[in-house]
Amino acid sequence: DIVMTQGALPNPVPSGESASITCQSSKSLLYSDGKTYLNWYLQRPGQSPQLLIYWMSTRASGVSDRFSGSGSGTDFTLKISRVEAEDVGVYYCQQFLEFPLTFGSGTKLEIK
Amino acid sequence: EVQLVESGGGLVQPGRSLKLSCVASGFTFNNYWMTWIRQAPGKGLEWVASITNTGGSTYYPDSVKGRFTISRDNAKSTLYLQMNSLRSEDTATYYCTRVHNSGYYFDYWGQGVMVTVSS
Repeated sequence: DIVMTQGALPNPVPSGESASITCQSSKSLLYSDGKTYLNWYLQRPGQSPQLLIYWMSTRASGVSDRFSGSGSGTDFTLKISRVEAEDVGVYYCQQFLEFPLTFGSGTKLEIK
Repeated sequence: EVQLVESGGGLVQPGRSLKLSCVASGFTFNNYWMTWIRQAPGKGLEWVASITNTGGSTYYPDSVKGRFTISRDNAKSTLYLQMNSLRSEDTATYYCTRVHNSGYYFDYWGQGVMVTVSS
């Protein structure tokens, strides 16, 4: 199984500052079609998760351009620029390269 | 507007069965793979089961394989999860999700339905 390991944030993050969340996979998520099958989701308090980023760096429809994804085949970063109160929640990375599909354990973002 | 509405959750004793449903609307259901994902109280997300758009193939993690069955009725735009031999560790909120049809990501999520396994 592909293990997804997420880093922690130095909470709370001051409003207006940037925050970077790391995620590492135990196997390269780069597929032969050139796409990297790493997705990011945000779960706000009391809500269902929502898609933020897919294919490592493509923003989902309606997602603020303050969110950006980057990385290599095994090391990934979700950067949130100018954090706002609405960014509070838990962020999950997830691989869709192969079954069983796996998620990271989540990274909590708090705002000061 | 895409909507996924789960139902069928509740309190069930260990060893018993429960069947969840998810009614989809706002898109052509039979064009999309679908997936169940769960979240134990205060914990992270765990993939539970996936099914292809035709229902011809299904996928499960070892934790539920042989106990859970995912299925769909494309005529009714409804996804199901039959859960047998339930254990306390199956206690969670279960989310119905749509898999984007060319992207391999979960682009829509239901509101979730709670399943509690306890005597």
